[in-house]
Amino acid sequence: EVQLVETGGGLVQPGKSLKLTCATSGFTFSNAWMHWVRQSPEKQLEWVAQIKAKSNNFATYYAESVKGRFTISRDDSKSSVYLQMNSLKEEDTAIYYCTCDILWAYYFDYWGQGVMVTVSS
Amino acid sequence: DIQMTQSPASLSASLGETVTIQCRASEDIYSGLAWYQQKPGKSPQLLIYGASSLQDGVPSRFSGSGSGTQYSLKISSMQTEDEGVYFCQQGLKYPLTFGSGTKLEIK
Repeated sequence: EVQLVETGGGLVQPGKSLKLTCATSGFTFSNAWMHWVRQSPEKQLEWVAQIKAKSNNFATYYAESVKGRFTISRDDSKSSVYLQMNSLKEEDTAIYYCTCDILWAYYFDYWGQGVMVTVSS
Repeated sequence: DIQMTQSPASLSASLGETVTIQCRASEDIYSGLAWYQQKPGKSPQLLIYGASSLQDGVPSRFSGSGSGTQYSLKISSMQTEDEGVYFCQQGLKYPLTFGSGTKLEIK
């Protein structure tokens, strides 16, 4: 059974940092592309970032809204993916989902349960 | 960015009724489209990818079709468990983008 479990969310002040972790199991993590997708309080889904596999040189891609502030990374030895979020803004408030792209097709095959990030003073 | 426009924003259907949800892309996405279902309080789940391929474990009453800029998701016989919000997503170009969702309820 595929499982993705996000941790690290919470309440943070604007301008501060937070790091999300996604621990996975049930699939060959090292071969999968991994993404973070967020859902705003208005329920709109927004793709945030992607990291490809080692065979793709761990290439990373970001939404313009987070480029330069967020960093996606992975540790294949721990089957985990991370999202370092710096200089947080109120508009980053959302549920953050970890997703996997096993078929390398730019779709989100499986999703975690999500973790809430609230940016507020 | 490729804009994804879904219609309708919401609809209600009777049990056993056929339901169709539309998704239009702002440019040709060459069948690079997925559909997701999100039930209240849950994360989205992949239903259809590549415009028409059914994800493993998804009931066969769900089907997808379309090409170019126009795509649709059909539920051939509405069931209670099909209530939720449905999103389309294009996988052709970065940034990967979603439609705004269609809320489906039982009438």
